Amino acid sequence: EDKVVQSPLSLVVHEGDTVTLNCSYEVTNFRSLLWYKQEKKAPTFLFMLTSSGIEKKSGRLSSILDKKELFSILNITATQTGDSAVYLCAVVDQTGANNLFFGTGTRLTVIP
Amino acid sequence: NAGVTQTPKFQVLKTGQSMTLQCAQDMNHNSMYWYRQDPGMGLRLIYYSASEGTTDKGEVPNGYNVSRLNKREFSLRLESAAPSQTSVYFCASRSVLDLYNEQFFGPGTRLTVL
Repeated sequence: EDKVVQSPLSLVVHEGDTVTLNCSYEVTNFRSLLWYKQEKKAPTFLFMLTSSGIEKKSGRLSSILDKKELFSILNITATQTGDSAVYLCAVVDQTGANNLFFGTGTRLTVIP
Repeated sequence: NAGVTQTPKFQVLKTGQSMTLQCAQDMNHNSMYWYRQDPGMGLRLIYYSASEGTTDKGEVPNGYNVSRLNKREFSLRLESAAPSQTSVYFCASRSVLDLYNEQFFGPGTRLTVL
């Protein structure tokens, strides 16, 4: 059975701290891994990763994938209160309709 | 563009009642999805429609039915609601041409079944 596991489940940090969120997966027909940010409502897309070792960056956020060890990390540097959200990791299964398998998410709280 | 819209935003049902959740997208996407999100469970796929005219079961389809009315609209029906169906429901859509496999999500419907 396909599985995506995120850790930690929740995290509280102070503004300015750096955080690392983890995502490990067991998916039979891996195509890609996506990171989403979910604030109060709908998840919004952050990154897609398909190749090992290539870091994706967007401002203070960066992510990398290790296809050999089957995990990804999402780093956020110099955290701000606006980074407070649930971060979701999802893996695309390339069979059928390229469905997403989501992890349970990591709830990040950044306090001033 | 409105993106993905869902109605209603909130709903309270009694056990055994039926209702239909509506979803529409204006991005000309081929694929549409229904998820439920429960605390500690992440997003779980209920049903999906890879293209107009097709629907398939996802991870948790029991107690639900869907209709892909046309390319824009994908509805989710609860025939006889149960308290276990209390959840937040998200609709999403995707273009098969999107190399990122990005799914665009609607704002969600919070459903409570008493």
